Amino acid sequence: QQQVKQSPQSLIVQKGGISIINCAYENTAFDYFPWYQQFPGKGPALLIAIRPDVSEKKEGRFTISFNKSAKQFSLHIMDSQPGDSATYFCAASGSNYQLIWGAGTKLIIKP
Amino acid sequence: GAVVSQHPSWVICKSGTSVKIECRSLDFQATTMFWYRQFPKQSLMLMATSNEGSKATYEQGVEKDKFLINHASLTLSTLTVTSAHPEDSSFYICSARGGGWDTEAFFGQGTRLTVV
Repeated sequence: QQQVKQSPQSLIVQKGGISIINCAYENTAFDYFPWYQQFPGKGPALLIAIRPDVSEKKEGRFTISFNKSAKQFSLHIMDSQPGDSATYFCAASGSNYQLIWGAGTKLIIKP
Repeated sequence: GAVVSQHPSWVICKSGTSVKIECRSLDFQATTMFWYRQFPKQSLMLMATSNEGSKATYEQGVEKDKFLINHASLTLSTLTVTSAHPEDSSFYICSARGGGWDTEAFFGQGTRLTVV
């Protein structure tokens, strides 16, 4: 019940296209859903996060869509750029603030 | 966003020696710090959670005598890998958050440990 399932494992998108990464969770007590971006040899950095009281949050080219009834949330990267090539992790946490991590998606943006 | 500084960024040590990794919150008080381990092409694995002034809580399967965590102040936590062996080689990442229900966790840049 603590798992966060992330897909796909890897994704190749043409420059200018839309990158979509999906996550599903089981624990309905989770109330914080962040997405992190990690470059090789670096720690993860928060990209965008959402709480379950809203269904969508947009920050620049990055959008989180959240479906509470389906227990799913996704990251959309619009107008994907080569600089977006990185590994993306979804996560979820509840009242103890411990992040439960997805397995990660390696995103490659082809110029 | 807030800054978490992790040092060193990489270290090579001989088998049997101990290595200390520091994690500092530079512009906020870190009520809670988390230590993670990450294997190549894998997700982050939580090792332990520490609150300032108290003993760390270790995840199942993590040896507390091998991975010593100290969170003596609101801006500093350390992870000491004692009697390191090649299987301890990994990427270690710290994370810190302040108090309050709506504060996010900020991550250090990670430490690549290689035990030879």
